[in-house]
Amino acid sequence: SQQGEEDPQALSIQEGENATMNCSYKTSINNLQWYRQNSGRGLVHLILIRSNEREKHSGRLRVTLDTSKKSSSLLITASRAADTASYFCATPQHDNQGGKLIFGQGTELSVKP
Amino acid sequence: GAGVSQSPSNKVTEKGKDVELRCDPISGHTALYWYRQSLGQGLEFLIYFQGNSAPDKSGLPSDRFSAERTGGSVSTLTIQRTQQEDSAVYLCASSLVVLYNEQFFGPGTRLTVL
Repeated sequence: SQQGEEDPQALSIQEGENATMNCSYKTSINNLQWYRQNSGRGLVHLILIRSNEREKHSGRLRVTLDTSKKSSSLLITASRAADTASYFCATPQHDNQGGKLIFGQGTELSVKP
Repeated sequence: GAGVSQSPSNKVTEKGKDVELRCDPISGHTALYWYRQSLGQGLEFLIYFQGNSAPDKSGLPSDRFSAERTGGSVSTLTIQRTQQEDSAVYLCASSLVVLYNEQFFGPGTRLTVL
């Protein structure tokens, strides 16, 4: 079953604009991760935020986590056409530090040049 | 290689046939995971291996699905008597340690059951 719910399901923006994607989850977590997928194939790990962290940055990526609302957001600043992909949030099941990741349905981002 | 590799990249089979999908994890990674991705179901966990522990098979959808991991490295996912609903992209991932669970994914095998 899917733990994460993401919105929007699809997002279309112009190059240079910022893109914000949101993820909500249901159970307590140890960490939350964001992955990117191009063309329906392999996923690439982008960033991991632990439950005791509120914000994390990596290059043009900014992730926030609000455990009281069970939600996270991924912000991509100054988007590029190459950022076009699907983005997924994922959480380890329950508060387990290992084992399976439960993925959201994903946000399909399209960045137009 | 440096990353997780999977073979074949594409597999077309007829309903009722058995298929084997292979995954080579990153060298030294103790944990290995299989997921599948289909249009209607999104990304679903199938099975997880960690070292010498018994695998977590809780995500396998039926007893037609099985997987093994030999020598703590290469894994094979076998689907017996394939059905059309088995059509999906099968993704393998590995991680260095279980703690915090950052996973590295292979490119996937696209399975089409006719």
